[in-house]
Amino acid sequence: NAGVTQTPKFRILKIGQSMTLQCTQDMNHNYMYWYRQDPGMGLKLIYYSVGAGITDKGEVPNGYNVSRSTTEDFPLRLELAAPSQTSVYFCASTSRDRGNEQFFGPGTRLTVL
Amino acid sequence: KNEVEQSPQNLTAQEGEFITINCSYSVGISALHWLQQHPGGGIVSLFMLSSGKKKHGRLIATINIQEKHSSLHITASHPRDSAVYICAVSLKETSGSRLTFGEGTQLTVNP
Repeated sequence: NAGVTQTPKFRILKIGQSMTLQCTQDMNHNYMYWYRQDPGMGLKLIYYSVGAGITDKGEVPNGYNVSRSTTEDFPLRLELAAPSQTSVYFCASTSRDRGNEQFFGPGTRLTVL
Repeated sequence: KNEVEQSPQNLTAQEGEFITINCSYSVGISALHWLQQHPGGGIVSLFMLSSGKKKHGRLIATINIQEKHSSLHITASHPRDSAVYICAVSLKETSGSRLTFGEGTQLTVNP
């Protein structure tokens, strides 16, 4: 199993541009999450999903959108990028039969200039 | 005030020392997680516990539900243990097994 994969690893955006961060897991997990990590701060939940077709907001959803059309994929869309969205983004997944232990992707480092 | 507080924020130790990182939380939880973030950025789950104690190699995690406190211990520390250690909790009565994270403890072990 590849686990949780994220693309791209790094990206620089200009203010106002849009992009999609990709996240895929091959463990058949029903729960998936997007977090952002700012320097010196704890991980913050952006959006999460409890299954295909179901998504919900986390603590810091403004400026982002998600979709979950399949169990495997959970893309995060940034519309109109702003410097405040400069961060490292992590995708994670879990399922109840794993005791809800979360498995993390390698992260995407995004800079908005 | 954060729901999850870790101490210390930074910790420097000499190789071989016994290390303790503390985590306190202020809400009802269903489980507490300890995670390790490597210098390269990757995050791995070390422990998930809801009571008592767990051990894996040189790492030991304990939790006291009544005191709302957990500790992560590293015995015979080694420079490869240098990383950020993150405490996170699954809150009771939240959907989707969401986690609330502490800010992390940066551990540096010198040879």
